[in-house]
Amino acid sequence: GAGVSQSPSNKVTEKGKDVELRCDPISGHTALYWYRQSLGQGLEFLIYFQGNSAPDKSGLPSDRFSAERTGGSVSTLTIQRTQQEDSAVYLCASSFRDVNGYTFGSGTRLTVV
Amino acid sequence: KNQVEQSPQSLIILEGKNCTLQCNYTVSPFSNLRWYKQDTGRGPVSLTIMTFSENTKSNGRYTATLDADTKQSSLHITASQLSDSASYICVVRGYNTDKLIFGTGTRLQVFP
Repeated sequence: GAGVSQSPSNKVTEKGKDVELRCDPISGHTALYWYRQSLGQGLEFLIYFQGNSAPDKSGLPSDRFSAERTGGSVSTLTIQRTQQEDSAVYLCASSFRDVNGYTFGSGTRLTVV
Repeated sequence: KNQVEQSPQSLIILEGKNCTLQCNYTVSPFSNLRWYKQDTGRGPVSLTIMTFSENTKSNGRYTATLDADTKQSSLHITASQLSDSASYICVVRGYNTDKLIFGTGTRLQVFP
């Protein structure tokens, strides 16, 4: 597609449930990033993929968070046993080369009730 | 302490006025610095990108400056418009890494 696509755009889930967030990067972009933006906070780095491998997982806040990327394209961020503090907007970005910057998706707003 | 600090946290100005947003960083060495505009409910959109050797970069009414010695950057908005109301985020990329370090942003509101 023309941009980075994320789905769903909004997700409300009950505490303790698992959720999956999807990111479809721009075709051909090799690098893919997940960020989290809590209310009133800056963007927090979660994980970075180069192709299908994740050389930097340092930002994942706990072992309840995991992410995978298949075929060098679509990525899924999974949060198990969601907690209320997981409520945030989860943003995905992709890039080919660090020349023109990163293109962000519109994010998934996750609300844990 | 965050490696990228922005000020002010929020700013209200009248339409047509100019304003300047500040970004101080401690990331060293660094590869480049970007300013992003993020409208409510949207992902960030790149405004300018500067390498350590560049001092200024313009994009329409937006002008970014960079002082690599003092590790400070500013974003100047000229003749503000209502559509400039958004969050402005300073982002620094360290040298030889793909990880971006985000500031917490400045929330700008432009009133008529």
